[in-house]
Amino acid sequence: DAGITQSPRHKVTETGTPVTLRCHQTENHRYMYWYRQDPGHGLRLIHYSYGVKDTDKGEVSDGYSVSRSKTEDFLLTLESATSSQTSVYFCAISESVTVHQETQYFGPGTRLLVL
Amino acid sequence: QKEVEQNSGPLSVPEGAIASLNCTYSDRGSQSFFWYRQYSGKSPELIMSIYSNGDKEDGRFTAQLNKASQYVSLLIRDSQPSDSATYLCAVRISGGYNKLIFGAGTRLAVHP
Repeated sequence: DAGITQSPRHKVTETGTPVTLRCHQTENHRYMYWYRQDPGHGLRLIHYSYGVKDTDKGEVSDGYSVSRSKTEDFLLTLESATSSQTSVYFCAISESVTVHQETQYFGPGTRLLVL
Repeated sequence: QKEVEQNSGPLSVPEGAIASLNCTYSDRGSQSFFWYRQYSGKSPELIMSIYSNGDKEDGRFTAQLNKASQYVSLLIRDSQPSDSATYLCAVRISGGYNKLIFGAGTRLAVHP
């Protein structure tokens, strides 16, 4: 998994509770991404980071926030979880954004169930 | 809204046959295209990347790109049961920071 870990790997929570997912990389890559994967929708980008403290929104960012205080860690927070946020969450990293060097590598994923 | 379309399948092929997976995209400015394979319950893993019109071969896999038609495909020769997985097409959209748009994936089933 290209030196990427995600924690927790599985989580069950209740509607309205805050949840934080962690992505940790050992590759020292600058770019990090959070995706969610749902049946029929493929992978959709939630937020991404292009450096420490530099983040921006993806296509499905409502209800999510992120933080990156160190190169190796990218945190995804659901401020108040809803059942629509039940999904599999993947973190990805990329060394560069230069064409031919921009491959994204994925972590093992976190399965989140919001009851 | 920039989109990537794939037939969801399942695409069923016999062992040893050629599997052909197709993808169309809407962003004419896209320059980079990727095929990922995803086994059930696992994370996506990169199989091929392609940047220029034409064919790119890597072992049993061939990626084909036609930017004029906004079409990219993946051929798997001598398909094996171990190739049974979901194949995701991803397109880097024009603009910065390497944002990818993924298709919903095509499920491939290779039967002995």
